Amino acid sequence: AQSVTQPDIHITVSEGASLELRCNYSYGATPYLFWYVQSPGQGLQLLLKYFSGDTLVQGIKGFEAEFKRSQSSFNLRKPSVHWSDAAEYFCAVGATDSWGKLQFGAGTQVVVTP
Amino acid sequence: DTAVSQTPKYLVTQMGNDKSIKCEQNLGHDTMYWYKQDSKKFLKIMFSYNNKELIINETVPNRFSPKSPDKAHLNLHINSLELGDSAVYFCASSQSSEPQHFGDGTRLSIL
Repeated sequence: AQSVTQPDIHITVSEGASLELRCNYSYGATPYLFWYVQSPGQGLQLLLKYFSGDTLVQGIKGFEAEFKRSQSSFNLRKPSVHWSDAAEYFCAVGATDSWGKLQFGAGTQVVVTP
Repeated sequence: DTAVSQTPKYLVTQMGNDKSIKCEQNLGHDTMYWYKQDSKKFLKIMFSYNNKELIINETVPNRFSPKSPDKAHLNLHINSLELGDSAVYFCASSQSSEPQHFGDGTRLSIL
Protein backbone atom coordinates (compact mmCIF):
# COMPACT_ATOMS: atom_id res chain seq x y z
CA ALA A 1 0.00 0.00 0.00
CA GLN A 2 1.13 3.51 -0.66
CA SER A 3 1.74 6.17 1.98
CA VAL A 4 2.84 9.79 2.02
CA THR A 5 4.60 11.94 4.61
CA GLN A 6 4.70 15.69 4.89
CA PRO A 7 7.35 16.34 7.54
CA ASP A 8 6.44 19.99 8.12
CA ILE A 9 3.14 20.61 9.87
CA HIS A 10 3.52 24.38 9.79
CA ILE A 11 5.71 26.79 7.81
CA THR A 12 5.91 30.56 8.13
CA VAL A 13 7.34 32.51 5.22
CA SER A 14 7.68 36.21 4.43
CA GLU A 15 5.85 37.61 1.44
CA GLY A 16 8.20 37.62 -1.52
CA ALA A 17 10.40 34.87 -0.12
CA SER A 18 10.72 31.43 -1.65
CA LEU A 19 8.76 28.45 -0.40
CA GLU A 20 9.50 24.74 -0.44
CA LEU A 21 7.15 22.11 0.96
CA ARG A 22 8.43 18.60 1.43
CA CYS A 23 6.66 15.39 0.51
CA ASN A 24 7.99 11.85 0.75
CA TYR A 25 6.09 8.84 -0.48
CA SER A 26 6.27 5.10 -0.14
CA TYR A 27 5.16 2.93 -3.02
CA GLY A 28 6.63 -0.06 -4.80
CA ALA A 29 6.16 1.20 -8.34
CA THR A 30 6.03 4.61 -9.96
CA PRO A 31 3.19 6.44 -8.27
CA TYR A 32 0.87 9.15 -9.42
CA LEU A 33 1.67 12.24 -7.35
CA PHE A 34 -0.37 15.36 -6.68
CA TRP A 35 -0.28 18.60 -4.76
CA TYR A 36 -3.55 20.15 -3.66
CA VAL A 37 -4.19 23.44 -1.86
CA GLN A 38 -7.03 24.11 0.56
CA SER A 39 -7.97 27.65 1.52
CA PRO A 40 -10.01 28.13 4.71
CA GLY A 41 -13.58 26.92 4.29
CA GLN A 42 -12.90 25.70 0.77
CA GLY A 43 -12.43 22.41 -0.98
CA LEU A 44 -9.17 21.15 -2.39
CA GLN A 45 -7.81 22.65 -5.58
CA LEU A 46 -5.30 20.79 -7.72
CA LEU A 47 -1.99 22.64 -8.08
CA LEU A 48 -0.13 20.09 -10.18
CA LYS A 49 0.30 16.41 -10.91
CA TYR A 50 2.99 13.96 -11.91
CA PHE A 51 2.18 10.83 -13.87
CA SER A 52 5.31 10.19 -15.93
CA GLY A 53 7.84 11.95 -18.14
CA ASP A 54 9.58 15.18 -17.21
CA THR A 55 10.30 15.07 -13.50
CA LEU A 56 9.90 18.84 -13.09
CA VAL A 57 6.23 19.74 -13.39
CA GLN A 58 4.70 23.16 -13.57
CA GLY A 59 1.40 23.94 -11.96
CA ILE A 60 -0.99 26.78 -11.43
CA LYS A 61 -0.32 29.92 -9.39
CA GLY A 62 3.43 29.79 -10.12
CA PHE A 63 4.05 26.50 -8.30
CA GLU A 64 6.32 23.72 -9.49
CA ALA A 65 7.31 20.34 -8.11
CA GLU A 66 10.13 17.93 -8.77
CA PHE A 67 9.83 14.16 -8.67
CA LYS A 68 12.99 12.49 -7.38
CA ARG A 69 12.70 8.74 -7.52
CA SER A 70 16.00 8.16 -5.69
CA GLN A 71 14.74 10.16 -2.72
CA SER A 72 11.07 9.12 -2.99
CA SER A 73 10.22 12.79 -2.88
CA PHE A 74 7.91 15.22 -4.64
CA ASN A 75 8.66 18.64 -3.16
CA LEU A 76 6.62 21.70 -4.03
CA ARG A 77 8.28 25.06 -4.66
CA LYS A 78 7.39 28.63 -5.40
CA PRO A 79 10.06 31.29 -6.00
CA SER A 80 8.15 34.21 -4.49
CA VAL A 81 5.09 33.77 -2.29
CA HIS A 82 2.12 36.08 -2.18
CA TRP A 83 -0.14 36.68 0.82
CA SER A 84 -2.85 34.76 -1.01
CA ASP A 85 -0.69 31.61 -0.86
CA ALA A 86 -1.49 31.23 2.84
CA ALA A 87 -3.38 27.94 2.98
CA GLU A 88 -3.10 24.24 3.77
CA TYR A 89 -1.15 22.20 1.25
CA PHE A 90 -1.63 18.48 0.75
CA CYS A 91 0.55 16.02 -1.08
CA ALA A 92 -1.22 12.90 -2.34
CA VAL A 93 -0.13 9.65 -3.93
CA GLY A 94 -2.17 7.32 -6.09
CA ALA A 95 -1.29 3.76 -7.01
CA THR A 96 -1.26 2.61 -10.59
CA ASP A 97 -3.23 -0.51 -9.65
CA SER A 98 -5.94 1.28 -7.65
CA TRP A 99 -6.26 4.59 -9.34
CA GLY A 100 -8.90 6.36 -7.27
CA LYS A 101 -7.56 5.40 -3.87
CA LEU A 102 -5.54 8.52 -3.10
CA GLN A 103 -3.48 8.58 0.06
CA PHE A 104 -3.09 12.09 1.43
CA GLY A 105 -0.35 13.47 3.63
CA ALA A 106 -1.25 15.22 6.86
CA GLY A 107 -0.90 18.61 5.24
CA THR A 108 1.39 21.61 5.74
CA GLN A 109 -0.09 24.88 6.87
CA VAL A 110 1.60 27.88 5.26
CA VAL A 111 1.45 31.25 6.96
CA VAL A 112 2.61 34.29 5.00
CA THR A 113 3.86 37.31 6.95
CA PRO A 114 4.13 40.85 5.55
CA ASP B 1 -21.53 26.57 -13.08
CA THR B 2 -20.05 24.86 -10.01
CA ALA B 3 -18.25 21.65 -11.03
CA VAL B 4 -18.78 19.57 -7.86
CA SER B 5 -21.49 20.85 -5.56
CA GLN B 6 -22.44 19.55 -2.14
CA THR B 7 -25.46 20.32 -0.03
CA PRO B 8 -25.79 21.34 2.65
CA LYS B 9 -22.63 23.33 3.36
CA TYR B 10 -23.24 23.15 7.11
CA LEU B 11 -25.15 20.53 9.06
CA VAL B 12 -25.71 20.74 12.80
CA THR B 13 -27.69 17.95 14.39
CA GLN B 14 -28.18 15.88 17.52
CA MET B 15 -26.56 12.57 18.32
CA GLY B 16 -28.67 9.63 17.19
CA ASN B 17 -30.26 11.43 14.24
CA ASP B 18 -30.10 10.31 10.61
CA LYS B 19 -28.87 12.75 7.98
CA SER B 20 -27.96 12.86 4.31
CA ILE B 21 -25.44 14.85 2.30
CA LYS B 22 -25.91 15.26 -1.43
CA CYS B 23 -23.29 15.63 -4.13
CA GLU B 24 -23.65 16.43 -7.80
CA GLN B 25 -21.03 16.92 -10.50
CA ASN B 26 -21.56 18.48 -13.91
CA LEU B 27 -18.16 17.53 -15.33
CA GLY B 28 -19.32 14.34 -17.02
CA HIS B 29 -16.96 12.29 -14.85
CA ASP B 30 -17.53 8.58 -14.38
CA THR B 31 -16.16 8.22 -10.85
CA MET B 32 -17.20 9.92 -7.61
CA TYR B 33 -15.78 9.78 -4.10
CA TRP B 34 -16.51 10.63 -0.48
CA TYR B 35 -13.73 11.73 1.85
CA LYS B 36 -13.75 12.54 5.55
CA GLN B 37 -11.49 15.31 6.90
CA ASP B 38 -11.08 15.22 10.65
CA SER B 39 -10.33 18.06 13.05
CA LYS B 40 -6.60 17.70 12.36
CA LYS B 41 -7.21 18.19 8.64
CA PHE B 42 -6.40 14.56 7.87
CA LEU B 43 -8.20 13.39 4.71
CA LYS B 44 -9.27 9.79 4.28
CA ILE B 45 -11.23 8.20 1.48
CA MET B 46 -14.46 6.51 2.47
CA PHE B 47 -16.17 5.35 -0.73
CA SER B 48 -15.88 5.52 -4.47
CA TYR B 49 -18.40 4.77 -7.20
CA ASN B 50 -17.66 4.22 -10.87
CA ASN B 51 -20.69 4.46 -13.13
CA LYS B 52 -22.98 3.77 -10.17
CA GLU B 53 -20.96 0.75 -9.05
CA LEU B 54 -19.19 0.71 -5.67
CA ILE B 55 -15.45 0.23 -6.25
CA ILE B 56 -13.85 1.49 -3.04
CA ASN B 57 -15.28 0.82 0.39
CA GLU B 58 -12.85 1.57 3.17
CA THR B 59 -13.31 0.46 6.76
CA VAL B 60 -16.24 2.74 7.42
CA PRO B 61 -19.01 1.91 9.95
CA ASN B 62 -22.06 0.47 8.24
CA ARG B 63 -24.04 3.44 9.59
CA PHE B 64 -22.63 5.19 6.52
CA SER B 65 -24.36 4.25 3.29
CA PRO B 66 -23.54 5.83 -0.06
CA LYS B 67 -26.04 5.84 -2.89
CA SER B 68 -25.44 6.70 -6.51
CA PRO B 69 -28.68 7.10 -8.48
CA ASP B 70 -26.71 8.03 -11.60
CA LYS B 71 -23.11 8.76 -12.42
CA ALA B 72 -23.55 12.50 -11.77
CA HIS B 73 -24.78 12.05 -8.21
CA LEU B 74 -23.37 10.42 -5.10
CA ASN B 75 -25.20 10.88 -1.83
CA LEU B 76 -24.09 9.90 1.65
CA HIS B 77 -26.60 8.82 4.28
CA ILE B 78 -25.54 8.49 7.89
CA ASN B 79 -27.65 6.68 10.47
CA SER B 80 -27.50 7.09 14.24
CA LEU B 81 -25.02 9.92 14.21
CA GLU B 82 -22.25 9.86 16.84
CA LEU B 83 -20.00 12.57 18.21
CA GLY B 84 -17.06 11.11 16.32
CA ASP B 85 -18.83 11.70 13.03
CA SER B 86 -18.20 15.42 13.39
CA ALA B 87 -15.94 16.32 10.48
CA VAL B 88 -15.89 17.92 7.07
CA TYR B 89 -17.07 15.57 4.35
CA PHE B 90 -15.80 16.16 0.84
CA CYS B 91 -17.21 14.85 -2.38
CA ALA B 92 -14.92 14.52 -5.40
CA SER B 93 -15.13 13.29 -8.97
CA SER B 94 -12.71 12.23 -11.69
CA GLN B 95 -12.65 10.80 -15.17
CA SER B 96 -10.59 7.65 -15.65
CA SER B 97 -6.99 8.44 -14.73
CA GLU B 98 -7.44 12.19 -14.45
CA PRO B 99 -7.06 14.05 -11.11
CA GLN B 100 -9.96 14.36 -8.72
CA HIS B 101 -12.01 17.54 -8.48
CA PHE B 102 -13.32 18.38 -5.02
CA GLY B 103 -16.44 20.08 -3.76
CA ASP B 104 -16.31 22.73 -1.04
CA GLY B 105 -17.21 20.30 1.71
CA THR B 106 -20.02 19.78 4.20
CA ARG B 107 -19.19 20.64 7.78
CA LEU B 108 -21.07 18.23 10.03
CA SER B 109 -21.34 19.07 13.72
CA ILE B 110 -22.92 16.66 16.18
CA LEU B 111 -24.28 18.11 19.41
